[in-house]
Amino acid sequence: NAGVTQTPKFQVLKTGQSMTLQCAQDMNHEYMSWYRQDPGMGLRLIHYSVGAGITDQGEVPNGYNVSRSTTEDFPLRLLSAAPSQTSVYFCASTRAGVGDEQFFGPGTRLTVL
Amino acid sequence: GQQLNQSPQSMFIQEGEDVSMNCTSSSIFNTWLWYKQEPGEGPVLLIALYKAGELTSNGRLTAQFGITRKDSFLNISASIPSDVGIYFCAGPKYNNNDMRFGAGTRLTVKP
Repeated sequence: NAGVTQTPKFQVLKTGQSMTLQCAQDMNHEYMSWYRQDPGMGLRLIHYSVGAGITDQGEVPNGYNVSRSTTEDFPLRLLSAAPSQTSVYFCASTRAGVGDEQFFGPGTRLTVL
Repeated sequence: GQQLNQSPQSMFIQEGEDVSMNCTSSSIFNTWLWYKQEPGEGPVLLIALYKAGELTSNGRLTAQFGITRKDSFLNISASIPSDVGIYFCAGPKYNNNDMRFGAGTRLTVKP
């Protein structure tokens, strides 16, 4: 099993550009989530999904969209990137609910100029 | 929002020393999770706590779920250089799937 994979590993965008961060898991986990991590701060939940076709907002959802058309994939879209979205983004999945062990991907380091 | 306050922010210790860190909240949590993050990687779960008063060990690590359900502690005994990293507490908001993380405790172990 590859676990949780994220692409790309690094990305530089200009303000106003759009892009999609990819996340995939091969563990057949129902619950998937996206976090951002900023220096000196813990991870903050952006969006999460409890199963295919179901998504919900986390703590910091503004500026981000998600969809969950399959169990395996959970892409995160930035429609119009802003410098405030410069961060490291982590995708995670868990077999059951959020209190279960989350498996994190290696992260995507995004810089918005 | 519902915040988790971790202390200390950072620790510099000698190899072999014991370490203690904690996490507190003004709100009740039904689950406490402790993660470790190493540079350039995602966090990895160390210990999960599901019941108030619960004390759980994982090798040299021991964590406790506070009786009030508003705090948790993580202890590391006889630290070694590979214990270096950032330790996060985390927990889902009460009755919700919305996960919250503390800001982390950065641990440095000097050989």
